Amino acid sequence: LAKTTQPISMDSYEGQEVNITCSHNNIATNDYITWYQQFPSQGPRFIIQGYKTKVTNEVASLFIPADRKSSTLSLPRVSLSDTAVYYCLVDTGTASKLTFGTGTRLQVTL
Amino acid sequence: DAGITQSPRYKITETGRQVTLMCHQTWSHSYMFWYRQDLGHGLRLIYYSAAADITDKGEVPDGYVVSRSKTENFPLTLESATRSQTSVYFCASKLQLAGPWNEQFFGPGTRLTVL
Repeated sequence: LAKTTQPISMDSYEGQEVNITCSHNNIATNDYITWYQQFPSQGPRFIIQGYKTKVTNEVASLFIPADRKSSTLSLPRVSLSDTAVYYCLVDTGTASKLTFGTGTRLQVTL
Repeated sequence: DAGITQSPRYKITETGRQVTLMCHQTWSHSYMFWYRQDLGHGLRLIYYSAAADITDKGEVPDGYVVSRSKTENFPLTLESATRSQTSVYFCASKLQLAGPWNEQFFGPGTRLTVL
């Protein structure tokens, strides 16, 4: 399995930038890295996906170094509504290996 | 309604009973998945399906059965429920397996309690 490792939890104040790093040492050449966000009592939802270098969308940025063994999700100026669990997933072409880690619980306070 | 739906949203059953959780998607996505979510374990893949009549095991398949007679439906059956199967179950779908711009869409989940 393309196992991922993330911090269990993080705390931030509103307005700060938050960076969550995920390690995925066994990533394969054709794998993508996808991040999901999950609020309580809801299913996860897609945030961002990347293959290498940097990807940015309206809600986040994703930084992937050249060796691709880790990735960092960056949330600019978080608000209380960003309090959620964030999952890193190695999006592999083998369905049986699509397994999520335990995620990072982000708590944003005033 | 468009999207991916699950039913029931909440279910309480007793040990030994058979329970079926339903999943329906309206996008005609090829791939569908069942995950269970437990504290300390994140989301673990139970079964997946690549197309109608094609299913295969994931990480934790024991005690579960799936079928997929139609592209849009992917029911999950617990043939004889056990307390260890108390969990939140999520169904997901994906257009294709690999490549970019290829996210999984998740349903709202079913919270199952086995007494």
